[in-house]
Amino acid sequence: AQTVTQSQPEMSVQEAETVTLSCTYDTSENNYYLFWYKQPPSRQMILVIRQEAYKQQNATENRFSVNFQKAAKSFSLKISDSQLGDTAMYFCAFMKHYGGATNKLIFGTGTLLAVQP
Amino acid sequence: NAGVTQTPKFRVLKTGQSMTLLCAQDMNHEYMYWYRQDPGMGLRLIHYSVGEGTTAKGEVPDGYNVSRLKKQNFLLGLESAAPSQTSVYFCASRSPGSCGGAEETQYFGPGTRLLVL
Repeated sequence: AQTVTQSQPEMSVQEAETVTLSCTYDTSENNYYLFWYKQPPSRQMILVIRQEAYKQQNATENRFSVNFQKAAKSFSLKISDSQLGDTAMYFCAFMKHYGGATNKLIFGTGTLLAVQP
Repeated sequence: NAGVTQTPKFRVLKTGQSMTLLCAQDMNHEYMYWYRQDPGMGLRLIHYSVGEGTTAKGEVPDGYNVSRLKKQNFLLGLESAAPSQTSVYFCASRSPGSCGGAEETQYFGPGTRLLVL
């Protein structure tokens, strides 16, 4: 069974600074997807970034980038130039590549990020 | 496109009462999911559906039933609510997808907060 671990329950960063959120996972699969979702106080789950395991290049979306280390089963999220609107709960999630709809998302427990002015 | 919508947004029930949560998506997605979110536990899958007329159990299905009579709607029912079902419920949907396609991404509704007294 797959598991996702986020070892940082809470983090804080100053506005305009850079912060890295950690995520590790356990799987015997070779092909899979990894996601970071953001959940602001509105509770809406918003996709931040995704990574396909077969791609060696780390995914990047504007100020958000990942450091994907497949051998180490690590998938950290780096937020550059932090903004107050980045304050949210961040969830790391895993999904197998094959299997159709039974490919369910496996979520970590989340990291609460507070951006301080 | 409205994306994924959920009704109601908030509901208070007494123990033993029944209710139905409605999820609707206008993206013509085949797969739909119901999750619950509890503090410190991330999101856990309750039930899912691979298409109209089909449903399957997820990680925590006890106490819930679901129906998918129309492709765009996925209903979650609580026949006899219990305080342990106090939670935030999220619906999500996605397309079957192919190798590395954006369809692998699950799109979430805004959530329904349920309080069972």
